[in-house]
Order: sequence, then structure tokens, then C-alpha cells
Amino acid sequence: DAGITQSPRHKVTETGTPVTLRCHQTENHRYMYWYRQDPGHGLRLIHYSYGVKDTDKGEVSDGYSVSRSKTEDFLLTLESATSSQTSVYFCAISEITIVRNTQYFGPGTRLTVL
Amino acid sequence: RKEVEQDPGPFNVPEGATVAFNCTYSNSASQSFFWYRQDCRKEPKLLMSVYSSGNEDGRFTAQLNRASQYISLLIRDSKLSDSATYLCVVNRGDFGNEKLTFGTGTRLTIIP
Repeated sequence: DAGITQSPRHKVTETGTPVTLRCHQTENHRYMYWYRQDPGHGLRLIHYSYGVKDTDKGEVSDGYSVSRSKTEDFLLTLESATSSQTSVYFCAISEITIVRNTQYFGPGTRLTVL
Repeated sequence: RKEVEQDPGPFNVPEGATVAFNCTYSNSASQSFFWYRQDCRKEPKLLMSVYSSGNEDGRFTAQLNRASQYISLLIRDSKLSDSATYLCVVNRGDFGNEKLTFGTGTRLTIIP
């Protein structure tokens, strides 16, 4: 158990509204990630963070922003939700050892944009 | 061509049988490789890393073939609890700057 929680776990919202998803970790990992998972696609990276206030874009970052003001929390914001952002969102952390960097995932947030 | 390709299945396999999946990747500079399993409506969970020399963890064996750019997963003596989607994951970045690419998964159903 990598000590990752996500909130909310389910959300239904309307097009044009802002939405914020929260990822919380308890083990002081430096790297955190947001992915989305859609049918027919593998998990795709939205944004990631390599430290407090240090973030960078992934491959599908348009329409999303992130913030990390504390090590334990990584927030994903949809500024103005669209139906194409209906998806399952997973947060992940990296556990780094001498030889390998392995990612572990949170339980996911199922977001529906009507 | 997709960066990581997997046969989506489904593979329907009787309990106790041996089943194998392959996954091909396109970037020859890929550094590390993983298999994750994902149960329906759950998060992906690391099953095993794939080492250059191949590695085994109980009933599971992973192999890497860099020349042909594929990795494989072999499950022996399959159990009902092995039913899941298996995700092939390739890291094409450097250590500390990982760039993971996920396959779309291979669905496995073990039949009693």
C-alpha cells in the first residue's frame, strides 16, 4: 500500500464548470503524477510534479492545470470541464530505489462531464 | 505505430493452464519495463518489473527481448484470481526522468 488517496472518488458535473481533484499521499514521495484512462487508450500522463511548486506538462495537458503547495497534496484542476474530459483519473507516486523508479497508483476518480 | 502494443484479447483460459502474453515496443532507447495488472474498475497494480535477464515471481515469469523489442509475461497454473487486465509499461526516459508509456492492456479471464 503506497498510502495514496484520491478525492472525490466519483463526480458528475456540467460542461463549463471548474473541477478540482485531489491526490494525497502519506509517505513523503517527491514525484507525483496525474493520468487519465480512457477506453482504447493506455493511461496517458496529464501533468506531473517533482517537488513542491515544481510541475511539468505531460502528453495530454490541454485544459488541465495542477498545483502542489505541500509535498503530500497534488491537485488537478479542470478550468472549464468539457465532455471530452469524462474519464477515470489516477494519481500516482514514484517509489525510488537505487536501481529503479516504480510508480504506484491511487484508487482513481471517476469523472463524468454532462 | 503505437509506442506500446498489446493484443487486447480477451484470452479465455481454463483454470490450471499456462498462458502467455507478448507486448512490443517501438522505442529502442527504452530503459525499463513493467507488467501491471488492473482489475475491473480498480487502479493498476504493479505485478512485476522486467529485468534484462528475465525474472520469475512464483507462477509469473517475465522476459525481455531487446533485439526484437518485446516483453512477455507467462502465467503458469492459472488461478481464477488471475482474471484481470494486464498492462505492459515501458519507460523510455532516464532514471529520475521517467516517461512511462502504457499499453492498452490484455484482458484475461480464467474459466473454472
